[in-house]
Amino acid sequence: DAKTTQPTSMDCAEGRAANLPCNHSTISGNEYVYWYRQIHSQGPQYIIHGLKNNETNEMASLIITEDRKSSTLILPHATLRDTAVYYCIALTDSWGKLQFGAGTQVVVTP
Amino acid sequence: EPEVTQTPSHQVTQMGQEVILRCVPISNHLYFYWYRQILGQKVEFLVSFYNNEISEKSEIFDDQFSVERPDGSNFTLKIRSTKLEDSAMYFCATPGYTADTQYFGPGTRLTVL
Repeated sequence: DAKTTQPTSMDCAEGRAANLPCNHSTISGNEYVYWYRQIHSQGPQYIIHGLKNNETNEMASLIITEDRKSSTLILPHATLRDTAVYYCIALTDSWGKLQFGAGTQVVVTP
Repeated sequence: EPEVTQTPSHQVTQMGQEVILRCVPISNHLYFYWYRQILGQKVEFLVSFYNNEISEKSEIFDDQFSVERPDGSNFTLKIRSTKLEDSAMYFCATPGYTADTQYFGPGTRLTVL
């Protein structure tokens, strides 16, 4: 599975949109982009995933560039409860192991 | 969101003792996973288990570790002789109903003294 690169940390104001970038320049055509997050000491939580098209669910939106070399997770209206480490993972097999990197520490401030 | 439960939430043990961590998955799923996270470090894959067999394991998952599905409704991770470096959060995960995501339990904090 392709390596992903994320910024170490970012801050976001409560109520504003949080845009979390992820680079996956070596992603292959059959690899999905998955996003998980981990609120302090809790189990990782699935957020969203996509292959080519942009995706939206009740938690977030995922924007994947046309060349699929990068993506952006958008939290439309960040709340304090969105403070967490966010992980971008490239995955071929949805049954396969998740390989977590260091992720992006997002801190939402009042 | 589907719920995965784990027991105990915290386990303290002496070095060299055996521990068994338990997980109750989303019902009827044959696939499950174990991960661990040492304090301050990233989440690491340990093992995946499908239909009563290990399907993949990491180099962390040595002979001291074993997994079982003893009665069909829960599954376990056993560490035979714990070491200080086994101290970590241990998470189990199972696919969701659509089978294209993994849902994690709340974790068991293992402290080896």
